[in-house]
Amino acid sequence: DTAVSQTPKYLVTQMGNDKSIKCEQNLGHDTMYWYKQDSKKFLKIMFSYNNKELIINETVPNRFSPKSPDKAHLNLHINSLELGDSAVYFCASSVTSGVSTDTQYFGPGTRLTVL
Amino acid sequence: QKEVEQNSGPLSVPEGAIASLNCTYSDRGSQSFFWYRQYSGKSPELIMFIYSNGDKEDGRFTAQLNKASQYVSLLIRDSQPSDSATYLCAALISGGGADGLTFGKGTHLIIQP
Repeated sequence: DTAVSQTPKYLVTQMGNDKSIKCEQNLGHDTMYWYKQDSKKFLKIMFSYNNKELIINETVPNRFSPKSPDKAHLNLHINSLELGDSAVYFCASSVTSGVSTDTQYFGPGTRLTVL
Repeated sequence: QKEVEQNSGPLSVPEGAIASLNCTYSDRGSQSFFWYRQYSGKSPELIMFIYSNGDKEDGRFTAQLNKASQYVSLLIRDSQPSDSATYLCAALISGGGADGLTFGKGTHLIIQP
């Protein structure tokens, strides 16, 4: 059983399109996250959701919007895609938020390529 | 500004030797530290975390934390070719809500057979 799953695994699209990436966790965790890993492999936090509330939102363009229909799902919507959005996007989850021993578990990633 | 610094490498270590990976952090509010391993094309997987000063051992892995020096390290004993990967150091800054992890840029480790 996959703990944190993402779909699709690969996404190739044209500039200007709108796309979504889905994430689901079956761990019963309260908090979910989206990270972006750029071409230099630098992993940066984008969003986190705790009990369906957005807790943090780093300096991410408002073209990116997380949507959480329930505690087990956190989807990422991206409008008006740009070349610079090409990256690998990882979803992660943790039991709770901000606890020093709380481990984040990562999904397999979605490789987004914008042409 | 929260920063986690790592030497990007590559760090080349002969098989069977000890690999030593280092990480420094800038925010004294950082409460715990995580070491993730990432194989090429795969997602980060947790090796271990540490939040108290001193050493923490788990099998062939030992994490070391020195909060006064703002320094974290990971030692891998009896290195195997399967340990070849990028090792990511991450800091968690707690307080007042959920925080994502602040990652370093990773150290690329190569274990030479």
